Amino acid sequence: AQSVAQPEDQVNVAEGNPLTVKCTYSVSGNPYLFWYVQYPNRGLQFLLKYITGDNLVKGSYGFEAEFNKSQTSFHLKKPSALVSDSALYFCAVRPYTGFQKLVFGTGTRLLVSP
Amino acid sequence: SAVISQKPSRDICQRGTSLTIQCQVDSQVTMMFWYRQQPGQSLTLIATANQGSEATYESGFVIDKFPISRPNLTFSTLTVSNMSPEDSSIYLCSVVKGSGNTIYFGEGSWLTVV
Repeated sequence: AQSVAQPEDQVNVAEGNPLTVKCTYSVSGNPYLFWYVQYPNRGLQFLLKYITGDNLVKGSYGFEAEFNKSQTSFHLKKPSALVSDSALYFCAVRPYTGFQKLVFGTGTRLLVSP
Repeated sequence: SAVISQKPSRDICQRGTSLTIQCQVDSQVTMMFWYRQQPGQSLTLIATANQGSEATYESGFVIDKFPISRPNLTFSTLTVSNMSPEDSSIYLCSVVKGSGNTIYFGEGSWLTVV
């Protein structure tokens, strides 16, 4: 069965510092991996995805994520955090082939302080 | 990307009533999904809305409680029937679109049952 773990309920970082939001996954076969962001009182916005190819994926708003197959991880990163990055971040996975169902992690709240 | 409109965006409903949520996509898509996000929780897939056939429901969700229509390739509805306070959630429509089969989400319909 597929599963996603986001081990941190909350990540605190000062503005201008680098940030990392962790995600590990378990799936049969090769995965599609996604990051979404949810701002207060909003739906989910797509940030980036890994399908195949380069392990470092660049996405919206300066975010990037690194796919590590041996560690089954897909951590979200940004070199310099902004206060406006404060939001809820979800990692999700689905198998490379077959059904399009996404399995989500529990979410990580990112708080960027001025 | 995809432009996904959901109606209503918010509603407060009386216990025992039913509410239908509409999802309109700006272009034809093959696959549409309905997710639920209970307060403070992650997202859970309710069902896949299939055009021209019955929806496919995930474990724990049944057609009598969550009937779904998919009359064409740009529109779907989800009805939450005989609502109870436990149904208070955000209901999100999502579609698969584009190269790499990215999954996009609407802004969500925020339901409160009193």
